[in-house]
Amino acid sequence: EPEVTQTPSHQVTQMGQEVILRCVPISNHLYFYWYRQILGQKVEFLVSFYNNEISEKSEIFDDQFSVERPDGSNFTLKIRSTKLEDSAMYFCASTTAWASGANVLTFGAGSRLTVL
Amino acid sequence: KQEVTQIPAALSVPEGENLVLNCSFTDSAIYNLQWFRQDPGKGLTSLLLIQSSQREQTSGRLNASLDKSSGRSTLYIAASQPGDSATYLCAVANTGGFKTIFGAGTRLFVKA
Repeated sequence: EPEVTQTPSHQVTQMGQEVILRCVPISNHLYFYWYRQILGQKVEFLVSFYNNEISEKSEIFDDQFSVERPDGSNFTLKIRSTKLEDSAMYFCASTTAWASGANVLTFGAGSRLTVL
Repeated sequence: KQEVTQIPAALSVPEGENLVLNCSFTDSAIYNLQWFRQDPGKGLTSLLLIQSSQREQTSGRLNASLDKSSGRSTLYIAASQPGDSATYLCAVANTGGFKTIFGAGTRLFVKA
């Protein structure tokens, strides 16, 4: 069964460093997402991406965050200057077109980011 | 602003019991509603998706219902098993939007 692949599974970084989290969505999916989950808290929407541009973003997704689809397969989340409060599990998700309403959101296993 | 609430926050039941998890949302203009399962330290696995025009979906021992007008969904688990122990998340996709809002989840423990 097709799956969403995320790397790295765990990254430890120093505060102020740049981090890039990578995702390979399911090949025929058109919509891509990043979510995060701080330990013990809700899964929170960060950003959605379609047709090579951001479709929607949350208030969490400030200027420190950016997303990119550098080629036909990868989808990345960059955090420019990490803060302690960026420590969380980051999930990538993808889905097919929205038109039908039957589009199942498929998640990757997540990338755990620890900022020291 | 869409808000999703799940009750109860935690539930412990003996094996074999039938149980109901509840989800409520504040904005009825939804595109679809999904129930997910999350095991500790793991990703999210989609269990059931109900489109806004549907009333329920079934998969094996799971049945999910949707009442858009009242802003409620339930996930019914029949004949619970220890392997069902996990956190169950309800998530709502808004009409015209590109995001899905999650509830905080119900942590389920099924005792053998």
